[in-house]
Formats: sequence, C-alpha cells, structure tokens
Amino acid sequence: AQSVTQPDIHITVSEGASLELRCNYSYGATPYLFWYVQSPGQGLQLLLKYFSGDTLVQGIKGFEAEFKRSQSSFNLRKPSVHWSDAAEYFCAVSTSGTYKYIFGTGTRLKVLA
Amino acid sequence: NAGVTQTPKFQVLKTGQSMTLQCAQDMNHNSMYWYRQDPGMGLRLIYYSASEGTTDKGEVPNGYNVSRLNKREFSLRLESAAPSQTSVYFCASSESGRGEAFFGQGTRLTVV
Repeated sequence: AQSVTQPDIHITVSEGASLELRCNYSYGATPYLFWYVQSPGQGLQLLLKYFSGDTLVQGIKGFEAEFKRSQSSFNLRKPSVHWSDAAEYFCAVSTSGTYKYIFGTGTRLKVLA
Repeated sequence: NAGVTQTPKFQVLKTGQSMTLQCAQDMNHNSMYWYRQDPGMGLRLIYYSASEGTTDKGEVPNGYNVSRLNKREFSLRLESAAPSQTSVYFCASSESGRGEAFFGQGTRLTVV
C-alpha cells in the first residue's frame, strides 16, 4: 500500500537558519510528489510538485525539494527561514491511475526570532 | 475565481444528528475528494470521485456517504454523527488525480 512518512512531528529553527523537512514514500510505481503548507485555520496551499524530469524542483516562497529515487525521499529545503514560514507542512504522493492523494502526518515548523 | 468552496465553515452537532457538508469547485476539474484532518494524523481520505458519476471509498469511509451531484459539486453526509467524527473536513479537487489538488478552507465539525 502507498504510504508517506514524515519522521519529524515538530521542528524548531531560528529565523535565518536553513531548513530541511524530511519525507519518505513507499510505492512501487513512479510517484507524483507534492509539498503543501497549511497556516493555522487555513486550507492547504501547494508549495511545489514533482512529476518527472529534473529531480530538484523549485517552488514558491523560496522552497525547493529534491527527489531521490534510490532513497524514496522528497525532502523540502529552504536556505533561510523567515518568521512567516511557521506553519504545518505536508508531503503527499499520488500515482497515475489511482486518482488518490496520500498525505504524511505533517511537520509543524516553529521559527524563533 | 473562487476555487473550491465549502459550506458551512463551522458546525456543532449532537450525537445522532445528521448533516451534509457541501463542496463546489469552479475549475472544471474531473476529480474531487473529501479528507478529514485530525491532530497528529495528517489528512486521511474519506471518499473520492475520480470523475462525474463515480465515487469510491478511501481510507476511512465508515459513517459517511457521498454524492457527486454533478461535475461541480461533491457532498459528504453524516447520517448519524458520533463524537469520533469531530474533525476538520477538507474538500479538494484536481484535474485528473495526478496534478495539483486544490483545497477548500475546511469545515470544523464538533459532535457533542
């Protein structure tokens, strides 16, 4: 069965520090991979997506993610975190033909001033 | 362009009551979804509709029913609400189940 693992429930970083949020997926076929962000009381907003091609993808708000097939990972990175990045981040996977999006349990990011 | 619109935004039900959560999208998407979000559990798929006229169970369908009324609208019904259904419910849509999924703002449901 498809699954997505986000091993870090909470992460705290100082403003200006770099950030990496981990995501591992389990699926035999080529996955479509997504990172979403959710601010408190809000819906989910897409940060970036990977379908094929270049394994390093750029997203909005200065985020990027790298697809590593050998490690079944799709980690999200940002070189310098801003206080406004404090939110919950979700990794998700879908595959051709299944029409379903499977989400990880999320990582809550806290940013220290 | 409203995107995905959910109503209501907040609802309190008594155990055993029924209600329908409404969802409409104006992006001409084929696929629509209902998720529930609970602390520490991420988003779990309740039901989805790959295309107009079809619906399928997701990960946690028990206690829910859905109707794909037309291409725009996908409703979620709780026939007899239970406290375990206290959650935040999100509707989403996508072109084909592979591209980006667009989410509504959510419905916060409390069952007492």
